Amino acid sequence: GEDVEQSLFLSVREGDSSVINCTYTDSSSTYLYWYKQEPGAGLQLLTYIFSNMDMKQDQRLTVLLNKKDKHLSLRIADTQTGDSAIYFCAVAGTGRRALTFGSGTRLQVQP
Amino acid sequence: DGGITQSPKYLFRKEGQNVTLSCEQNLNHDAMYWYRQDPGQGLRLIYYSQIVNDFQKGDIAEGYSVSREKKESFPLTVTSAQKNPTAFYLCASSMASGRVNEQFFGPGTRLTVL
Repeated sequence: GEDVEQSLFLSVREGDSSVINCTYTDSSSTYLYWYKQEPGAGLQLLTYIFSNMDMKQDQRLTVLLNKKDKHLSLRIADTQTGDSAIYFCAVAGTGRRALTFGSGTRLQVQP
Repeated sequence: DGGITQSPKYLFRKEGQNVTLSCEQNLNHDAMYWYRQDPGQGLRLIYYSQIVNDFQKGDIAEGYSVSREKKESFPLTVTSAQKNPTAFYLCASSMASGRVNEQFFGPGTRLTVL
């Protein structure tokens, strides 16, 4: 089945850019998603990208997709302390609408 | 306000007992999902339902059961057969069709087995 991998932890200083990376195995994935989870809460969709796009920008968020390498990244510009959370990469599994999630990257923003 | 509610927020269960987690949505979504979250492991799919009276097993369905008698509701029962039920459980819903499968999540239920 689909496998989605993320590094577990990232620490940055306030005002710096954060880059969270994700790799996946299913080349037929059509939509790829980034979700944010704050402590003790559910997940919130941040952004998504269609597989025929290389890049998508939405305010401070930039998503880059390298389909050849099956690599997805999320860049957060001017990272704030309120961005501290766990960020999940997710892709649609082949033949089903349920998503496969990575293990999540915990972003810690130092003031 | 439209959204997904899960109850209770915290649940404690003795070993050997079944327990049911509630999930309700008023978004008029056809599809609903149950995920389990363990520290450092991300979300794993337990069951999902694309339509009323129909549901499919996910990746870790053993020890769990669901029903989908109403469009708005998708309760999850954690049975005594589930060997390690202590976890954070998340319910989600989405449109059943359409290109972008944006899933909306509830606030979660934290289950602890004593």
